[in-house]
Amino acid sequence: NAGVTQTPKFRVLKTGQSMTLLCAQDMNHEYMYWYRQDPGMGLRLIHYSVGEGTTAKGEVPDGYNVSRLKKQNFLLGLESAAPSQTSVYFCASSYSRTQGVIYEQYFGPGTRLTVT
Amino acid sequence: DAKTTQPNSMESNEEEPVHLPCNHSTISGTDYIHWYRQLPSQGPEYVIHGLTSNVNNRMASLAIAEDRKSSTLILHRATLRDAAVYYCILRDPPFRTSYGKLTFGQGTILTVHP
Repeated sequence: NAGVTQTPKFRVLKTGQSMTLLCAQDMNHEYMYWYRQDPGMGLRLIHYSVGEGTTAKGEVPDGYNVSRLKKQNFLLGLESAAPSQTSVYFCASSYSRTQGVIYEQYFGPGTRLTVT
Repeated sequence: DAKTTQPNSMESNEEEPVHLPCNHSTISGTDYIHWYRQLPSQGPEYVIHGLTSNVNNRMASLAIAEDRKSSTLILHRATLRDAAVYYCILRDPPFRTSYGKLTFGQGTILTVHP
């Protein structure tokens, strides 16, 4: 199993450009999450999804959109990138309450995004 | 969400035990205590979790105070590979509709000396 993978690993954008970050998991997890981590800080939740076709806002959703068209994929979009979105982005997934007890999130390796 | 307080940093020598403390004085009766760690340039990884009783697994032990207002993550023999940021996180129980969200603080930076 590959676990949680993220594409791309690195990206540099100019202010105003758009891009999509892809997260894929092969563990049949229902729940998926997008976090961002700024230097010296813990992770903050951007958006999450509790199943295919459903998404919800997290702690810092402004400037981002997400989609979960397939169970194994969770996309994070930046429509008009800003320097404040320079960060490392982590995707995670976990089982749902109906699949079992929620106790562990599996994280991807991260995408380092710089907006100039 | 109930908050946790951890020291900013700790140091240890290789092959010695490490005790990482966490205070959570406002913990509710149903909050689970979780620990994750983040190795340099990697995503966080689950370490251990518990509710009331002490817990052991292959990575670490979790000692929970009787009043649950504090806990300690114990690495029995630190290795250089244990150098990481360790996060103590309180989570809603599975029957709550929080969908397993994790709220990260700044964690404790553990440095392990050879």
